Amino acid sequence: SAVISQKPSRDICQRGTSLTIQCQVDSQVTMMFWYRQQPGQSLTLIATANQGSEATYESGFVIDKFPISRPNLTFSTLTVSNMSPEDSSIYLCSVVTREGLYEQYFGPGTRLTVT
Amino acid sequence: QKEVEQNSGPLSVPEGAIASLNCTYSDRVSQSFFWYRQYSGKSPELIMSIYSNGDKEDGRFTAQLNKASQYVSLLIRDSQPSDSATYLCAVVLSGGYNKLIFGAGTRLAVHP
Repeated sequence: SAVISQKPSRDICQRGTSLTIQCQVDSQVTMMFWYRQQPGQSLTLIATANQGSEATYESGFVIDKFPISRPNLTFSTLTVSNMSPEDSSIYLCSVVTREGLYEQYFGPGTRLTVT
Repeated sequence: QKEVEQNSGPLSVPEGAIASLNCTYSDRVSQSFFWYRQYSGKSPELIMSIYSNGDKEDGRFTAQLNKASQYVSLLIRDSQPSDSATYLCAVVLSGGYNKLIFGAGTRLAVHP
């Protein structure tokens, strides 16, 4: 499976600010996703990062709050904008490595605390 | 009704026993099912995928799929304390082009 890295691994931010999280894969992948995992909860899909076009957002998530870029087949960013304490979560990117497969592999995650 | 349901646990088993984790799903979901293991403070790790009715074995892990009853299970034989983690069931939605929907997860504790 692909090697996935995320930066930063953790951060503490003040409310009202924004943070951009990077996801880098060591090989080209077909699909990339962003998830959120709130404390003690399961994973919730935020959006599918589409290469060269706007991301596809899930219900409850909007582009103004969570802008996503995917300029190529190995890299994506998620920005958490105008943060509030409710945004404190672990943010995870995942990838599908081959066309026609459904298995997703996760990066190590970014632990965000908003004060 | 939630699309994917799991008992949150904790499920406590003695070392060496078989741990049985269950997951039920709604009609909307597709026929692709996955089990992830998540250690505390770590990201989910894919341990099993199953697409067809029946059993699929990989080492100490066996995934079982019963489409008629709409459940998928994970058996862990010879459980070890290192198996203590949260196990997440995930399914791909029908027509959802790779979108994974996760259950709430079952916390497994294997005690010596």
